[in-house]
Amino acid sequence: GNSVTQMEGPVTLSEEAFLTINCTYTATGYPSLFWYVQYPGEGLQLLLKATKADDKGSNKGFEATYRKETTSFHLEKGSVQVSDSAVYFCAPPPMDSNYQLIWGAGTKLIIKP
Amino acid sequence: ETGVTQSPTHLIKTRGQQVTLRCSSQSGHNTVSWYQQALGQGPQFIFQYYREEENGRGNFPPRFSGLQFPNYSSELNVNALELDDSALYLCASSPGVSTGELFFGEGSRLTVL
Repeated sequence: GNSVTQMEGPVTLSEEAFLTINCTYTATGYPSLFWYVQYPGEGLQLLLKATKADDKGSNKGFEATYRKETTSFHLEKGSVQVSDSAVYFCAPPPMDSNYQLIWGAGTKLIIKP
Repeated sequence: ETGVTQSPTHLIKTRGQQVTLRCSSQSGHNTVSWYQQALGQGPQFIFQYYREEENGRGNFPPRFSGLQFPNYSSELNVNALELDDSALYLCASSPGVSTGELFFGEGSRLTVL
């Protein structure tokens, strides 16, 4: 089955810094990944999905790239803003008969002005 | 297009009591999943309903039960509440069972005293 390892947080950056959050999983199927974001006090929102090797998903300035050699996805943003402060979760698509997503532990991002 | 709505947003119960949480799925979605999210943790899958039938369940005891109605809205029931049941309960709807693209509500914050 799948297991997910996500970069530990918190990650603290200054505004306009470059962001990378890593997520690695052992896939038993076709490599793809969903990134979700949870802003303080809110539910989760789908940020973007990345599918296929070398195919970047993108949304709100974020991009997700899959690295086939390490079976890892990287969530990146060139210039972060204070409003990006949130917890970011990665999850591969459901692969078993239980249809459940296996979530990473989440990476808390803190952006300082 | 109406998003996923959950009620109540906050509630306080005592040990041994029972609680019912409600969720209205997004228009056009026939699948609802429920997650438990403890403070500072990632979501834990409770179960999923597809066309009024439970078709996937996580590692939760039978006192966690649910229903899905013909309009695809759903309820989560928890009997014999324990202190550890204190958490944010998230409902997510999706257009199918095997997609990882979930649309979450804002959650119901349950506190058990």
